[in-house]
Amino acid sequence: GAGVSQTPSNKVTEKGKYVELRCDPISGHTALYWYRQSLGQGPEFLIYFQGTGAADDSGLPNDRFFAVRPEGSVSTLKIQRTERGDSAVYLCASSLLGVSTDTQYFGPGTRLTVL
Amino acid sequence: QQPVQSPQAVILREGEDAVINCSSSKALYSVHWYRQKHGEAPVFLMILLKGGEQKGHEKISASFNEKKQQSSLYLTASQLSYSGTYFCGTEIEPGNTGKLIFGQGTTLQVKP
Repeated sequence: GAGVSQTPSNKVTEKGKYVELRCDPISGHTALYWYRQSLGQGPEFLIYFQGTGAADDSGLPNDRFFAVRPEGSVSTLKIQRTERGDSAVYLCASSLLGVSTDTQYFGPGTRLTVL
Repeated sequence: QQPVQSPQAVILREGEDAVINCSSSKALYSVHWYRQKHGEAPVFLMILLKGGEQKGHEKISASFNEKKQQSSLYLTASQLSYSGTYFCGTEIEPGNTGKLIFGQGTTLQVKP
């Protein structure tokens, strides 16, 4: 079956602009996670959803970052007034139930570059 | 809160063994190991739950020492395909949410 997909694969934007990053999880997976990965670092937790609700958004850096998952499947990460420090690869992962024994399957990521 | 991985990098010849460690200052509920190749998504290797279990996957196995809050990944008889960056993702107590905090990674290079 299809894995986790993310669009776009690359996004170049100018400082101050608004961007949206999309994640399509594996069908039937109730849990969805967003991570950010800077060069040479491990993935950094941002937020995770259990169904339609954000169960933990403690990793969002500030109020410029927001994520939604209105129907419990596709999720969109939204970044307002982008800054150069937002440049990174944004990874999405999904798992079946969102419990410890579940495997998280990662998408290929969106590489965001803020000029 | 971020776990510490050691070593940061290791170079092996094919057939040699390696151990990668992941240590946390927090009580852990689970540890998830991933391998990531350059420009690709992390690929799942295995999950260990608290209880000190050891798991194996072909020539790759791992252990979880609950008392030390440490997990180790063992790579035996390494192959060229093992090259990449290995990350541990830790879930702290009380856990069971799947929220992972990843280490900074260990880069493994296997040479012919």
